[in-house]
Amino acid sequence: AQSVTQLDSQVPVFEEAPVELRCNYSSSVSVYLFWYVQYPNQGLQLLLKYLSGSTLVKGINGFEAEFNKSQTSFHLRKPSVHISDTAEYFCAVSDPNDYKLSFGAGTTVTVRA
Amino acid sequence: DVKVTQSSRYLVKRTGEKVFLECVQDMDHENMFWYRQDPGLGLRLIYFSYDVKMKEKGDIPEGYSVSREKKERFSLILESASTNQTSMYLCASSFSGDNYNEQFFGPGTRLTVL
Repeated sequence: AQSVTQLDSQVPVFEEAPVELRCNYSSSVSVYLFWYVQYPNQGLQLLLKYLSGSTLVKGINGFEAEFNKSQTSFHLRKPSVHISDTAEYFCAVSDPNDYKLSFGAGTTVTVRA
Repeated sequence: DVKVTQSSRYLVKRTGEKVFLECVQDMDHENMFWYRQDPGLGLRLIYFSYDVKMKEKGDIPEGYSVSREKKERFSLILESASTNQTSMYLCASSFSGDNYNEQFFGPGTRLTVL
């Protein structure tokens, strides 16, 4: 079974500063990778996904992530955060032949003015 | 617009009660999922269903059961609620025809068992 490690549980950051959220996964075979965001008191929504092709993936709200197969990583970045980016972020992985996702423990991003 | 709805946002029940959590999706998705979300543990899969009347156990099925009598509805049942089932419960759905497994989530039900 796939497993996901999100290396930071809490990331405080100042408004307009860059942020990077780290994600590593366990599998050495082909995978699909996802980042989801959960705003306070809401469900999860998809930020971006990697299926194949270009290793740099762009998502909504200015986020991007880079797939690195040799390091089994899929780190999420944003060059300049806003207060509204305060949320919990989840990395997830799936086997292309399976409908299930395996989620990391989540990273809480708190943006301060 | 894609929609997954859950019957309650907040629920308070007593130990030993039978609890039903309902989830409805309007996207004609084949797959539906129930997760529980706990701080520091992320989302853990309880059960999922890939078709009407079909179900499979996830990672933590103990103490739970599910029902899927119609394609759009997936119910999670706590046969006898216990305090360690206090949690946020999230429902999700996805399309079988996809080749990328994107799941769409409901807003969640925060269940407190006293």
